Amino acid sequence: KAGVTQTPRYLIKTRGQQVTLSCSPISGHRSVSWYQQTPGQGLQFLFEYFSETQRNKGNFPGRFSGRQFSNSRSEMNVSTLELGDSALYLCASSEERTDTQYFGPGTRLTVL
Amino acid sequence: AQSVTQLGSHVSVSEGALVLLRCNYSSSVPPYLFWYVQYPNQGLQLLLKYTSAATLVKGINGFEAEFKKSETSFHLTKPSAHMSDAAEYFCAVTRNTGGFKTIFGAGTRLFVKA
Repeated sequence: KAGVTQTPRYLIKTRGQQVTLSCSPISGHRSVSWYQQTPGQGLQFLFEYFSETQRNKGNFPGRFSGRQFSNSRSEMNVSTLELGDSALYLCASSEERTDTQYFGPGTRLTVL
Repeated sequence: AQSVTQLGSHVSVSEGALVLLRCNYSSSVPPYLFWYVQYPNQGLQLLLKYTSAATLVKGINGFEAEFKKSETSFHLTKPSAHMSDAAEYFCAVTRNTGGFKTIFGAGTRLFVKA
């Protein structure tokens, strides 16, 4: 099976803009989670979607949002970008009733 | 609440030496524990996982970890370091009750000297 794919791999935006990141999970996986990785804060959980519904949410402001489509693909949106949003955004997928998440290569977002 | 503490943000070993990366966890329920490795500009790759079947878990690339409930530890070891092991390693605890949520440690960067 193909692994988790994320597009784009690299993105440069300016403050105040918005951005949408995409994640395609492993075929058959219905759970998709998003994480933000920064040098200062490490890896932090953003949210998790299952069957188009958000099941879990981390402690991020409302500027961070996501959605999941019927084919389990997920998008993450960040509005009104701030410099501190520069990070590697990782997506992970998993099968229901298992304990293992599989991670994509990430999208490197740089906010100027 | 669940938490993970990795002792040592940087560990340096010589090629061929023992690798020991430390991880302690806090969990109110039996945990699912994981070790991931991250190479520069890449995502996380699963090294191994503990899910209560056996306390000594073997993973890829010669790594293994031992779950010690009494010490709330899940340290990662490899008998002989290789240059290709240089990377960042993350210990994590996952809860899957009504949805996934993974808490990661701060990471340990492993340096391997020739």
